Amino acid sequence: DTGVSQDPRHKITKRGQNVTFRCDPISEHNRLYWYRQTLGQGPEFLTYFQNEAQLEKSRLLSDRFSAERPKGSFSTLEIQRTEQGDSAMYLCASSWTSGWDEQYFGPGTRLTVT
Amino acid sequence: AQSVTQPDIHITVSEGASLELRCNYSYGATPYLFWYVQSPGQGLQLLLKYFSGDTLVQGIKGFEAEFKRSQSSFNLRKPSVHWSDAAEYFCAVADAGGTSYGKLTFGQGTILTVHP
Repeated sequence: DTGVSQDPRHKITKRGQNVTFRCDPISEHNRLYWYRQTLGQGPEFLTYFQNEAQLEKSRLLSDRFSAERPKGSFSTLEIQRTEQGDSAMYLCASSWTSGWDEQYFGPGTRLTVT
Repeated sequence: AQSVTQPDIHITVSEGASLELRCNYSYGATPYLFWYVQSPGQGLQLLLKYFSGDTLVQGIKGFEAEFKRSQSSFNLRKPSVHWSDAAEYFCAVADAGGTSYGKLTFGQGTILTVHP
């Protein structure tokens, strides 16, 4: 078990460009979460999946954001037409089915929009 | 809506001293509470969790936390701090019902600095 992995670890992009991040959860975990963390703040929930079904999206997630989890394995988070306010650390976590099982976090993808 | 408040943004202690990090939560039902630690360049690591039962829970690295329902608090403690404990600490509450089941709401974090 290698834990949750995220790719890339760092991404610098120009305003208006599209970016896509990938998260590979722990293989036996059927829940996958995305959070966003800005400097000096705790992580904020964005969305989560139970297997391939996206069960909830935060109001923080504008129409420019989309997430997928095909076949209930890895997940992608895409941001279209990036804005400077999208600069943040994007964290992925996975867990077993139970809502209060430990969420295992990946190292995050740091996005900088210039 | 649930919320978590960590009143102390930054705490400095000497190595070997005791530590208490404060956490207050707002949640309508029985809360599921967590403490995570984040070191620079590292992912969040779970220190301990509370669901029910004994209100004093033990975690990894010598940490413990006490759930006090009357005070809506879940403070993290360690009797003797080591230099390697320097990191940022987050308290979180899990949503236990509906479509938000399992979603974590985090506090803003407390940065711990340890002086030798």
